[in-house]
Amino acid sequence: NAGVTQTPKFRVLKTGQSMTLLCAQDMNHEYMYWYRQDPGMGLRLIHYSVGEGTTAKGEVPDGYNVSRLKKQNFLLGLESAAPSQTSVYFCASSYHTGRGGQPQHFGDGTRLSIL
Amino acid sequence: EDKVVQSPLSLVVHEGDTVTLNCSYEVTNFRSLLWYKQEKKAPTFLFMLTSSGIEKKSGRLSSILDKKELFSILNITATQTGDSAVYLCAVSHKIIFGKGTRLHILP
Repeated sequence: NAGVTQTPKFRVLKTGQSMTLLCAQDMNHEYMYWYRQDPGMGLRLIHYSVGEGTTAKGEVPDGYNVSRLKKQNFLLGLESAAPSQTSVYFCASSYHTGRGGQPQHFGDGTRLSIL
Repeated sequence: EDKVVQSPLSLVVHEGDTVTLNCSYEVTNFRSLLWYKQEKKAPTFLFMLTSSGIEKKSGRLSSILDKKELFSILNITATQTGDSAVYLCAVSHKIIFGKGTRLHILP
């Protein structure tokens, strides 16, 4: 059972470079999320999507863009990487029943370092 | 401003002890409160709480929500070294995570 798969697992970038993180889920979940986790800061929501073709800003969206062209995939892009974006990035997905928050299933994370 | 506050931030106990982790919140449009355990990689789901006073239980772990006082507790009895992890609390509708409690169990 794959669940939520993130690629790559590790990446080192130079300031100003661009890259895309890929998240794929095989659970037919409607909702998908991108978080960053920094020491002592918990998980902070960057962007999320409530369905194919829709995205919305989270708590810390600046410097990131996302796309959800297919239901199973959620892409996170960094157009011009900055050292402040050094972090561990987690993707998650969940069902939405309309009655409230649902448990999220997380990927194993992508460790990104910006030099 | 919406916020979720967990306490303590760090806790060290001996195997066999009982621990209580706290999560308080101030959010608009509350839907549910969720607890996760994070070891080395991905957080894994423990409990989802939507109603006050109803205890959720799974083995040695249990949790309860107080929607009047806006907090939840996570109890772990007879702790084992495998319980060492960061425990995260999250509140929806807008999903906001606390900073977590880092729990270390000494053998």
